[in-house]
Amino acid sequence: DAMVIQNPRYQVTQFGKPVTLSCSQTLNHNVMYWYQQKSSQAPKLLFHYYDKDFNNEADTPDNFQSRRPNTSFCFLDIRSPGLGDAAMYLCATSRDWGAAGEQYFGPGTRLTVT
Amino acid sequence: AQKVTQAQTEISVVEKEDVTLDCVYETRDTTYYLFWYKQPPSGELVFLIRRNSFDEQNEISGRYSWNFQKSTSSFNFTITASQVVDSAVYFCALSDLKAAGNKLTFGGGTRVLVKP
Repeated sequence: DAMVIQNPRYQVTQFGKPVTLSCSQTLNHNVMYWYQQKSSQAPKLLFHYYDKDFNNEADTPDNFQSRRPNTSFCFLDIRSPGLGDAAMYLCATSRDWGAAGEQYFGPGTRLTVT
Repeated sequence: AQKVTQAQTEISVVEKEDVTLDCVYETRDTTYYLFWYKQPPSGELVFLIRRNSFDEQNEISGRYSWNFQKSTSSFNFTITASQVVDSAVYFCALSDLKAAGNKLTFGGGTRVLVKP
C-alpha cells in the first residue's frame, strides 16, 4: 500500500545524457514536489506543482525540468546531467498548499552520473 | 528569512540510552509550523510530528517526545530508551505563511547511531 512511488530506485546515467525520473502517488493529493538531496545535506526543493500550476524555485538550474501529465504522476527531467547532479531525488506530495500540510515522501531515486 | 539550525551533526548512543536532538528556528511570522522527519538508511523521509506556533503543549508518542519552547525558539526531540531501529538521520523543518504555502525549510539534520 505504498502511497508515493518512485521509479527507478537507482539510476545510472552518463554525463550529458538526458534522464527522466518518475513519481506516482495514490493519495490524490493536489501538490507534488521534487527535492534534491546531496550526501549529508538537507533536501533542497527544486519545484512543485499545485494541480497543474508549476512553481520553480529561483535557484533551480534550467537543466532541470518537470512534467505533471495528471494528478497521479510527476516527472523530473534532467536535460544534460553533470557530475554535480549526482544525488538522491525525492518526490513528495501534500493535500493542499498550506503551511500546515504535512508532506508525504517517496523512497527516492539515487542518481549516479558517470 | 526562515532558518532552522540543528547544531548536532551526529550523535552516537548505546541502546536503551535516551537521546535528545536540538532544533532552533528563526522566523518573522507569528503563524508557523514545525515538523520532525526521520530518514532511515532506506532514504524515505518519514513524517513524525507537526506542531503549530500557537500550541506549546509538549507531546509524547510512545518513546518519542517533543519539547516546544517559543521563548527560546526551540523544538527539541527526545527518544527514550533508544533502539537500533532508531538509527537514522532526523530533520527538523519549518513552514510559515510567508513561505509561499507549505514550503519546508529544513535544518541540516542530525545523524543518530544507536549501537547494540
